[in-house]
Amino acid sequence: EPEVTQTPSHQVTQMGQEVILRCVPISNHLYFYWYRQILGQKVEFLVSFYNNEISEKSEIFDDQFSVERPDGSNFTLKIRSTKLEDSAMYFCASNGRPSQPQHFGDGTRLSIL
Amino acid sequence: GEDVEQSLFLSVREGDSSVINCTYTDSSSTYLYWYKQEPGAGLQLLTYIFSNMDMKQDQRLTVLLNKKDKHLSLRIADTQTGDSAIYFCAESGGANTGTASKLTFGTGTRLQVTL
Repeated sequence: EPEVTQTPSHQVTQMGQEVILRCVPISNHLYFYWYRQILGQKVEFLVSFYNNEISEKSEIFDDQFSVERPDGSNFTLKIRSTKLEDSAMYFCASNGRPSQPQHFGDGTRLSIL
Repeated sequence: GEDVEQSLFLSVREGDSSVINCTYTDSSSTYLYWYKQEPGAGLQLLTYIFSNMDMKQDQRLTVLLNKKDKHLSLRIADTQTGDSAIYFCAESGGANTGTASKLTFGTGTRLQVTL
């Protein structure tokens, strides 16, 4: 069964550094999402992306965050200048239509030191 | 804004049924989902229900939806130790093409299965 894949599984970065989290959505999917889960808390929506532009973003997704689909397979989340509070598990998801369930990757654990 | 609530913890004995409950506030919710998260792992889609349905059964899983009360439940029959995990309820409102539809998640219910 096709999967959403995320790399790396764990990223450790110094505060203030830029980080790029990578995702390969399921190949025939058109809608892409990023969520984050701070340890012990609920999964929170960050941003959705369709047709090469952001569809919706949450309050968390401020100017430090950006997303990109640089080619036909990758979908990336960039955090420009990381803060301690960015430490979390980041999940990528995709679906073929909004009415279909979103399929999630295994996540990238981001640790900011 | 949308809000989804779940109880935090449920403990059941192996072989018993588990019932995990969820309430939501968004009356325009179109789809409701149950995801399972094992320790250190991602979110695994278990099942989902469209808002015009009352019930959906899939092997050991039964989803009940009370749209009037905005209440969703997941029943796991014959609960096994491998069912121990965190279960997240989530809702989305969108069904239109051309607009991605975000998921709003509940707090998660930790299911502990004891022998």
